Amino acid sequence: SYELTQPPSVSVSPGQTASITCSGDTLDNKYVCWYQQKPGQSPVLVVYRDTKRPSGIPERFSGSNSGNTATLTISGTQAMDEADYSCQAWDRSTVVFGGGTKLTV
Amino acid sequence: EVQLVESGGGLVQPGGSLRLSCATSAFNFSSYWMSWVRQAPGKGLEWVANIKQDGNEKFYSDSVKGRFTISRDNAKNSLYLQMNSLRAEDTALYYCARDAPSYYSDSGYGFDSWGQGTLVTVSS
Repeated sequence: SYELTQPPSVSVSPGQTASITCSGDTLDNKYVCWYQQKPGQSPVLVVYRDTKRPSGIPERFSGSNSGNTATLTISGTQAMDEADYSCQAWDRSTVVFGGGTKLTV
Repeated sequence: EVQLVESGGGLVQPGGSLRLSCATSAFNFSSYWMSWVRQAPGKGLEWVANIKQDGNEKFYSDSVKGRFTISRDNAKNSLYLQMNSLRAEDTALYYCARDAPSYYSDSGYGFDSWGQGTLVTVSS
C-alpha cells in the first residue's frame, strides 16, 4: 500500500520559515493536501491541489510538490501556527495520510 | 455556515456493532463526495471510507473493508457508517468530512469541512 512519510517533529523560531516535508513514491504524480490540527480541535485544510490555499488561510502558508517530496512552508511563523500538520494524497481512489508532524514554535 | 455534526459513538464490546450518523447543513450535500476519517487517541489521521454523490461508488481502507459500510441519504443531507465486528484497534474519534465536489474523488480538493467527531471505544 502507498505510504506518506513525515518527520515526527519540526522546530522553528518565531518569525522564521518552517518547512514540513511529506515523502512518497512519485508523489508529484498525485495531488497533495495539508491539514493543520490544534489540540482538541478538528483538522483544518490549509493547502489543496499541491499549492492552493482555501479562503481564510493566511498567505504565509504555501505548498509545493516535486519528485518524491511535497513541502508545506510557513513563512514568518507565528506562535499560533504551533500545531500538528498532516499531508494527504490519493492512491487509486483511496486516501492516504502521512503520520503527522508536530510543529513547535 | 457549513456544519457537520456526528453522533452515534459510544462504548461497545469487541465483536459488537455501532452506527454513526453525520447530519449536515448549509451546503448542497448531494453535490459532494463524503468521507469518514478517524483518529486513534494520540495518533494521526486515518481515512476510513468515502462515498460518491449518488451513493453508487464507495471505497474503503483495507483496515475496515468487509466490516464497515458507508451510506448516505441525500434527502436527509446525512452520512452514515455502519460498523460491524468491531475491534479494539477501531477505538478512535470518528470525523465526518466533506470531500470533493467533482466527478472523481481524487481531484485534489481535499477535506474542506470537518465535524467535531464522535468517539468510539471498543473495550470489554
